[in-house]
Amino acid sequence: GQNIDQPTEMTATEGAIVQINCTYQTSGFNGLFWYQQHAGEAPTFLSYNVLDGLEEKGRFSSFLSRSKGYSYLLLKELQMKDSASYLCAVIPAAAGNKLTFGGGTRVLVKP
Amino acid sequence: DTEVTQTPKHLVMGMTNKKSLKCEQHMGHRAMYWYKQKAKKPPELMFVYSYEKLSINESVPSRFSPECPNSSLLNLHLHALQPEDSALYLCASSQVRGQGDTEAFFGQGTRLTVV
Repeated sequence: GQNIDQPTEMTATEGAIVQINCTYQTSGFNGLFWYQQHAGEAPTFLSYNVLDGLEEKGRFSSFLSRSKGYSYLLLKELQMKDSASYLCAVIPAAAGNKLTFGGGTRVLVKP
Repeated sequence: DTEVTQTPKHLVMGMTNKKSLKCEQHMGHRAMYWYKQKAKKPPELMFVYSYEKLSINESVPSRFSPECPNSSLLNLHLHALQPEDSALYLCASSQVRGQGDTEAFFGQGTRLTVV
C-alpha cells in the first residue's frame, strides 16, 4: 500500500519560516507534488519534484530526497494569507496517473 | 484557460434520488479525476480516466458511476447514496503522465449533502 505522512498541524508567526516535512513509502515513485488548500476551496498547485534537490519558487521551496523517501516544503516570509492546509501528494506507480495525497498539514500563521 | 469547472456548486439530495455531477476543462488534458474530500481530511482518489477510458477505480461503491463522454467532460452519476457520502467532490485534470507536466488542476468542487 501507499503511506504518505505529514504533521497534522503547525503554527508559526508572520514573517517567519516554516518547514513542512513529508515522508512517503510507495510502490514506485514518479513525482511528488505540494498543493495548498484554503478552507472550502480547491487545492492549488505549488511545486513538483521528480529529481533529488531543491526547487525554489518565490517564497516557497520544495526539496526531495528519493533515497530517503522524504520531501519538505519551505515557506519563507510567512504572511497571514499562508494560513491553509498543505498537501503532499505522490504518483506512486510506474504507470498511470494515481495522484495520492498525504493527510495534509494545517498551518496557522499568527500575527 | 487553466480552469476546471464543476457544476453544481452545492447539491442536496435524498437517498432515493438520482443526480449527476459535471466537470469540464478545455486545457487539452487527457487525464481526469474524481476525488472525495471530507472535512479536515485530504482528497481521496475515486476514479481516474486516461484518454476517456477508466484506468483507475479505487474500489468505489457502485452507487457512484463515472462517465467520460469526451475529452473535455467528466460526469459522476449518483444513485441511492447514503448520508455518509456527504462530502466535497473534486474534479481534476492533468496531462497523461509521460505526455507533459503532470500537475493536476482542480475544480472548486461540488458540496454534496445526502439527506
